[in-house]
Amino acid sequence: AQSVTQPDIHITVSEGASLELRCNYSYGATPYLFWYVQSPGQGLQLLLKYFSGDTLVQGIKGFEAEFKRSQSSFNLRKPSVHWSDAAEYFCAVALNDYKLSFGAGTTVTVRA
Amino acid sequence: SAVISQKPSRDICQRGTSLTIQCQVDSQVTMMFWYRQQPGQSLTLIATANQGSEATYESGFVIDKFPISRPNLTFSTLTVSNMSPEDSSIYLCSVEERGYGYTFGSGTRLTVV
Repeated sequence: AQSVTQPDIHITVSEGASLELRCNYSYGATPYLFWYVQSPGQGLQLLLKYFSGDTLVQGIKGFEAEFKRSQSSFNLRKPSVHWSDAAEYFCAVALNDYKLSFGAGTTVTVRA
Repeated sequence: SAVISQKPSRDICQRGTSLTIQCQVDSQVTMMFWYRQQPGQSLTLIATANQGSEATYESGFVIDKFPISRPNLTFSTLTVSNMSPEDSSIYLCSVEERGYGYTFGSGTRLTVV
């Protein structure tokens, strides 16, 4: 069955430390890939996306993600986390039907 | 990217009543989507709304419970009918923009009492 998996439900990271959020997908073809962030009480903001081409994608707020076809993964990274990065992060994928499917989300807590 | 205005931003409703959520986009878009986010959960697609055709509902969602209108390329409504406490969720509309991806409204936080 097609699915999007975010293995980590909750990650706690110290301010200034690096962050990596994992995302794996199970689809027959390479989907379009997205990372969204949702701050408490807020809507979803697009961090970055991958359609094709360079497998290392740069996004907003200092985030980047790498698409690895062999691993069916699209992991999100940030070299140095700020307290304002505390939020819920969602990986999402879409196929040619344009329906967006979301992972369960990863809650990031930033400690001082 | 498109700018989406979604309202109301929140509401508290009595069970058995209905609420209509509006989504206005500042540009013409072909595909609009409605999602539900239950407390502490991820987003689940309710339906796809294309102008000029009936909405297409995902498994577990039916038109009688979630009627959708799409009168033009910039506007859509979702109605949550005959509400029960289990309908308490955040409802979000989204549009697909070729080459950009998906933009979301700020959501409607619904509490049914």
